[in-house]
Amino acid sequence: NAGVTQTPKFQVLKTGQSMTLQCAQDMNHEYMSWYRQDPGMGLRLIHYSVGAGITDQGEVPNGYNVSRSTTEDFPLRLLSAAPSQTSVYFCASSLSGTEYNSPLHFGNGTRLTVT
Amino acid sequence: AQSVSQHNHHVILSEAASLELGCNYSYGGTVNLFWYVQYPGQHLQLLLKYFSGDPLVKGIKGFEAEFIKSKFSFNLRKPSVQWSDTAEYFCAVILPRPLNTGTASKLTFGTGTRLQVML
Repeated sequence: NAGVTQTPKFQVLKTGQSMTLQCAQDMNHEYMSWYRQDPGMGLRLIHYSVGAGITDQGEVPNGYNVSRSTTEDFPLRLLSAAPSQTSVYFCASSLSGTEYNSPLHFGNGTRLTVT
Repeated sequence: AQSVSQHNHHVILSEAASLELGCNYSYGGTVNLFWYVQYPGQHLQLLLKYFSGDPLVKGIKGFEAEFIKSKFSFNLRKPSVQWSDTAEYFCAVILPRPLNTGTASKLTFGTGTRLQVML
């Protein structure tokens, strides 16, 4: 049982490049989400999904796309990277989206730098 | 919109000192409250949570938090900190949603408090 796995751990991009941050969980969790963590701003929700085929926007969705074709995977795509997207990205999952009995399980994060 | 405030951005304590980290939220209805901890170089993990019942919640590693509804607060406490408690602590709030609505509750985090425990 690996939990939530994020790849890559580190990435450097040039402005305008695109890339996909991968997130996979093996706990059969319905709810998955992406956060970015920036100094002094805590964690901010980018996008989330309550199940395969269902996604919704979080607090800071601009510049990011997501899809959820399977229960296990929830990739985050940056179509045209900008320096403002330099951050640490965390994927998290939970059994259900209501949080009553299912706290978030976090991945180890991806540190992204956009130059 | 709901928000969470953590007024202590950086706290430095000596070992064995007592700890209290403040957390206030801005919502007048029923909320669920959490404290997460992030040790250096690691991901966030749950310390404790409050849903209902006893407002004094005990978590892992000797931490506890008290929910005071009249003050919209959920402060984290530990009677005697250890060097290994050095970490960043995040308070988070979520508004309960009815089940089977097809929507998810959104967890809102505070900006975090960096705790540094000196030997």
